[in-house]
Amino acid sequence: QQQVKQSPQSLIVQKGGISIINCAYENTAFDYFPWYQQFPGKGPALLIAIRPDVSEKKEGRFTISFNKSAKQFSLHIMDSQPGDSATYFCAASMATGANNLFFGTGTRLTVIP
Amino acid sequence: DVKVTQSSRYLVKRTGEKVFLECVQDMDHENMFWYRQDPGLGLRLIYFSYDVKMKEKGDIPEGYSVSREKKERFSLILESASTNQTSMYLCASGRGDGQPQHFGDGTRLSIL
Repeated sequence: QQQVKQSPQSLIVQKGGISIINCAYENTAFDYFPWYQQFPGKGPALLIAIRPDVSEKKEGRFTISFNKSAKQFSLHIMDSQPGDSATYFCAASMATGANNLFFGTGTRLTVIP
Repeated sequence: DVKVTQSSRYLVKRTGEKVFLECVQDMDHENMFWYRQDPGLGLRLIYFSYDVKMKEKGDIPEGYSVSREKKERFSLILESASTNQTSMYLCASGRGDGQPQHFGDGTRLSIL
């Protein structure tokens, strides 16, 4: 059973456009929501993370929006660039203990010039 | 920078063989993790360890075991490899308590 559901599976965006990836979770005990970026041949790398005490977090062109009541969170990539082409994973965990992450199934983003 | 190093990038083994995947981290992290990554399924946790000689099952432990004799090293063992264990295996480490996990670059394992 997938604890974190992610959509879309793939996304094609024009350079300069906005990329939006959505995730939903069921377990209300989750309180840490990171996004990971993975390039071909590399392991996932932390991109940005949010805790449920805020509704939005922005780092450069990347923004997480968080809706606690709907149990949804999303990644927005503004001014998308070809270098952003990668696979993106959302994840969720309880921010205590070993911090086991439950991952979404991934979104393959392609930004076309 | 945190470095998580997996011993092999590519590995080809035969059905029934015992396979060892090794992972080393250099940041003195308490927690280490083994995931497998399959298209359309994301990353699924196989086992994790929160201390030397301690281990916990993840979501898909069947057919796998782990060993953590030293803090920096975490090994994944396929007791008797089967073709359905062909996958990308990712090791990660982290401090826990809401701190990020850091991943190695993966081992692509093929079981023939």
